[in-house]
Amino acid sequence: QVQLVESGGGVVQSGRSLRLSCAASGFPFSSYAVHWVRQAPGKGLEWVAVISSDGSNKYYADSVKGRFTISRDNSKNTLYLQMNSLRTDDTAVYYCARDGYSYGPFYFDSWGQGTLVTVSS
Amino acid sequence: QSALTQPPSASGSPGQSVTISCTGTSSDVGSYNYVSWYQQHPGKAPKLMIFEVNKRPSGVPDRFSGSKSGNMASLTVSGLQAEDEADYYCSSYAGNNNLVFGGGTKLTVL
Repeated sequence: QVQLVESGGGVVQSGRSLRLSCAASGFPFSSYAVHWVRQAPGKGLEWVAVISSDGSNKYYADSVKGRFTISRDNSKNTLYLQMNSLRTDDTAVYYCARDGYSYGPFYFDSWGQGTLVTVSS
Repeated sequence: QSALTQPPSASGSPGQSVTISCTGTSSDVGSYNYVSWYQQHPGKAPKLMIFEVNKRPSGVPDRFSGSKSGNMASLTVSGLQAEDEADYYCSSYAGNNNLVFGGGTKLTVL
């Protein structure tokens, strides 16, 4: 079965960096686009970024453009999110999610359990 | 990237039907058939319930259905059950490689 397992969350000071990882299994990782979606405490979902199946196309929400970088290593079945210049409003649970297509963003048919990022001032 | 508009809450008694609306614009919901719906129970990851307006993933009960008219999409839950109590989010492709979510609707089964 499809499995997505995020890691790398934690507490970090404002202005610092953090890298999240998402290990995928149970499906041909290199055939699907994958996303990062976040959810601030008590708030709704916010799409963050998507990367196409071959890694050639990457798109970002305006709120993270220029600060976050999405990448993938298909040989390791792993998705990454490099987060720089973190701000307190980046505090959220970050989910890794698979798109139904090889490119996106269209919809999320599988989700990980999430990893919490807390940015302190 | 304005969020889609959902009512903050909805409710119904067991066995009844409830419809949750999701209002966008001609730049997102009105232009693309890439509307999807997600169910999220407290402390859990979201789960895909409807994609491409009205398609159900395998394993999702046929009590869940989706539709769209103009700039508004809807999720209908028929034959409400206690386990349907959750938060529901809509999303839509918004062009220019962007995707937007609704603010979420808390569904209460009375």
